[in-house]
Amino acid sequence: EVQLVESGGGLVQPGRSLRLSCAASGFTFDDHGMHWVRQAPGKGLEWVSGINWSGDNTGYADSVKGRFTISRDNAKNSLYLQMNSLRPEDTALYFCARDIVWKGAYVTHTWFDPWGQGTVVTVSS
Amino acid sequence: DIQMTQSPSSLSASVGDRVIITCRASQSISNYLNWYQQKPGKAPKILIHGASGLKSGVPSRFSGSESGTDFTLTINNLQPEDFATYYCQQTYSVPITFGQGTRLEIK
Repeated sequence: EVQLVESGGGLVQPGRSLRLSCAASGFTFDDHGMHWVRQAPGKGLEWVSGINWSGDNTGYADSVKGRFTISRDNAKNSLYLQMNSLRPEDTALYFCARDIVWKGAYVTHTWFDPWGQGTVVTVSS
Repeated sequence: DIQMTQSPSSLSASVGDRVIITCRASQSISNYLNWYQQKPGKAPKILIHGASGLKSGVPSRFSGSESGTDFTLTINNLQPEDFATYYCQQTYSVPITFGQGTRLEIK
């Protein structure tokens, strides 16, 4: 069974950093790109970032560009999101999701399946 | 950035009804349009990919279509388990963007 489990969320003060992790199992991790999507309380879905299977192509939402960095460790079947200079508007449930394309060069022309259950990030003083 | 305008934002319907949710892209996205269903407290699940491709295991009462930059999700014969929030998503270009969501409620 394909499974994605996020971790690393928590309460953090504005301006501080946090690193999210997503542990993957049940599929060949380095065959697929991966994505982070967030959902602020009571709001809709917002794509945050994506990375291709090899890690040499990434993309970011304008709202996080320059502050967040996506990465992956294929040997550990893990996806990461390094979040720096956090703001209150970054408060959200953060999901990781698998990119369905096999060995895709980019993070586009795809869909996400499955998604993890998410980890909550709260940015507040 | 490509804007996805989804309508309506909310919808009340009864079991057995047919509902249509629409999504308009601000520019051409070919058929790189997906539909997801999200239930409260749960992660989204893919329903339709590539504008009209039904994900394996998803009931056939769900269907998708496209006309230029307009996309529709149709649900026939609504079932109690279909009451949820639905999102469209374009993956034509980065940044990937979602519609605002449509909350489907029981009338």
